[in-house]
Amino acid sequence: AQSVTQLGSHVSVSEGALVLLRCNYSSSVPPYLFWYVQYPNQGLQLLLKYTSAATLVKGINGFEAEFKKSETSFHLTKPSAHMRDAAEYFCAVSQTGANNLFFGTGTRLTVIP
Amino acid sequence: DGGITQSPKYLFRKEGQNVTLSCEQNLNHDAMYWYRQDPGQGLRLIYYSQIVNDFQKGDIAEGYSVSREKKESFPLTVTSAQKNPTAFYLCASSILAGGSYEQYFGPGTRLTVT
Repeated sequence: AQSVTQLGSHVSVSEGALVLLRCNYSSSVPPYLFWYVQYPNQGLQLLLKYTSAATLVKGINGFEAEFKKSETSFHLTKPSAHMRDAAEYFCAVSQTGANNLFFGTGTRLTVIP
Repeated sequence: DGGITQSPKYLFRKEGQNVTLSCEQNLNHDAMYWYRQDPGQGLRLIYYSQIVNDFQKGDIAEGYSVSREKKESFPLTVTSAQKNPTAFYLCASSILAGGSYEQYFGPGTRLTVT
């Protein structure tokens, strides 16, 4: 069985501060891991994905995530938050060869001016 | 421009009525999906289809039905049997890229049933 847990349903940071959104996964086989972003009343947009090629994955909008097998984590970071980063972020997991994704419950990021 | 279209953006219905949500993609993707999104619950899979004329139930298929007569289209019908249909509905399609399937999402339809 696969699942992801996102710690913290709401995260607030000041503009210019570090963004850290946490995701832990559970999978019996090597997983593929994804981060998506959702702006209000819109669909989801892929930020980045881990497919075992490299443990540090760089995505769009300055975000990156590091796969840590020992901690079963795939936390999303950005060195300096911008107002436009305010959105909801979803972590998701799938298995090799499978096209179904299992989503976390999401983390809403607020950026304080 | 390639993408996924969902219409309408907002939909209002009276309780007891069936309603069909449209999803069209011109990305030439084989697989398509329907998710339901409720506050604090993330996305839950309703139905998915890997090829034309074939589809499988997801985690919360009760009260919903789908069809896949064309590769580009995957409409979702919310029936009167769905006990709590008010939600944000997202359609997606996927393609195999770099060893994994990447899902691309439409803009969503917000359904309100009163």
